[in-house]
Parts: sequence; structure tokens; C-alpha cells
Amino acid sequence: DSGVTQTPKHLITATGQRVTLRCSPRSGDLSVYWYQQSLDQGLQFLIQYYNGEERAKGNILERFSAQQFPDLHSELNLSSLELGDSALYFCASSVEDSYGYTFGSGTRLTVV
Amino acid sequence: GIQVEQSPPDLILQEGANSTLRCNFSDSVNNLQWFHQNPWGQLINLFYIPSGTKQNGRLSATTVATERYSLLYISSSQTTDSGVYFCAVALPNAGGTSYGKLTFGQGTILTVHP
Repeated sequence: DSGVTQTPKHLITATGQRVTLRCSPRSGDLSVYWYQQSLDQGLQFLIQYYNGEERAKGNILERFSAQQFPDLHSELNLSSLELGDSALYFCASSVEDSYGYTFGSGTRLTVV
Repeated sequence: GIQVEQSPPDLILQEGANSTLRCNFSDSVNNLQWFHQNPWGQLINLFYIPSGTKQNGRLSATTVATERYSLLYISSSQTTDSGVYFCAVALPNAGGTSYGKLTFGQGTILTVHP
């Protein structure tokens, strides 16, 4: 157990639907990062939150949004899902930016 | 954006062999990490090493920031070392921090046979 908890582990949903992925960071970590891993794009940075505020944005689609709550857990919302959104979604956390990341075990999303 | 190139793309070893994985990056970085993704998909942080040398058991890493490369050494490889090894880097922003936006290389797929 890495200390970063992601739920659910697996998710199968239909095109056009909306899902929410949840992440609880390691105790003491203020930064939460979301990454998408697909076969064709590799690991891509989506968004970072630090202590409740958005800090950096990557190639995140407008259909996707995220937030970090006062207890520091984070949620990634994916809407109007398309087949191409099928991927492994990882959450990671760190104390600060210039420290090592700890990744959760990921959520495998399958859009059918 | 920054480019990260890893070599070799694939590596097949017999148990007990040693190996060196390389990561080249195109710009100055202030954050460099090595990760191992095991066959079950878990990403394990091996090293945070923006410069210098570190060792952890059979694994060690060296980053020469001025020459923009990092090396990961695996000695006496075991079948459990199989998986994909990723190098990831982040650029410093104007304030000197990196905002943690890691750019990953495409990885080296390591297969260790018994």
C-alpha cells in the first residue's frame, strides 16, 4: 500500500456518461496530481492541486474537471465520455513539487 | 515542451545479469524521478534524483544535470524487476519551482527470465 488511495479500481461505463474518480493523498502531502495513461499517448499530466487550489494544468480536456477538497482528497470528473477516454487514470501526491511522487494504484476506465 | 528519450526501448535479461537504462532530456530540469511500473500496473517511485548519485539495494541512479542525462543501474536482476521503467522530469518555472508537472519518457520494457 503506497498510502495514496484511489477508488474505484475499475469502472465500465457507456459513451456519453459521466464518472467521478476519487483520490486520497498520502498523509501530510499537500499536492495532488492526476495523470492519464493510454497505450498511444503514454503517461500524460492532466492537472495539479496544491492545498486546495489549482496549481498547474496539462492537456486536460474541457469535458474533464477536478477539484481538491479541504480534507485534501481530490476528485476527477469525466463527462460526455467517449471511447477514446478509456485509459488508466492515476493520482499521485507529494509534500511539495520538488519531492518524489507517490502514485496510487490507478482507476482503469473502460468506455463501451 | 521538454523532450524525454529513454533507451533502450526493450531489454531482455537472464536472472543475475546487470543492466543500465538511460534517460536523455532536452532542457534543464529541477525534478527528475525514476519509476517502475510492474506487470499489475502499479507505479513505484524508485528515485527522486535531479542531480548526483543515489543507491537503494540493487538499484542505483546517477543524474548529470549539466549534460542532461540520467542513468538507472540494476544489478543482479531478478524476475520481479520485470516491467516498465519510466524516467520523468519537470522544468523549473520563473520562481524556481517546477509546479510538479512531470513529463514522462516512453519507458524501457524490461523482461527478466529465470
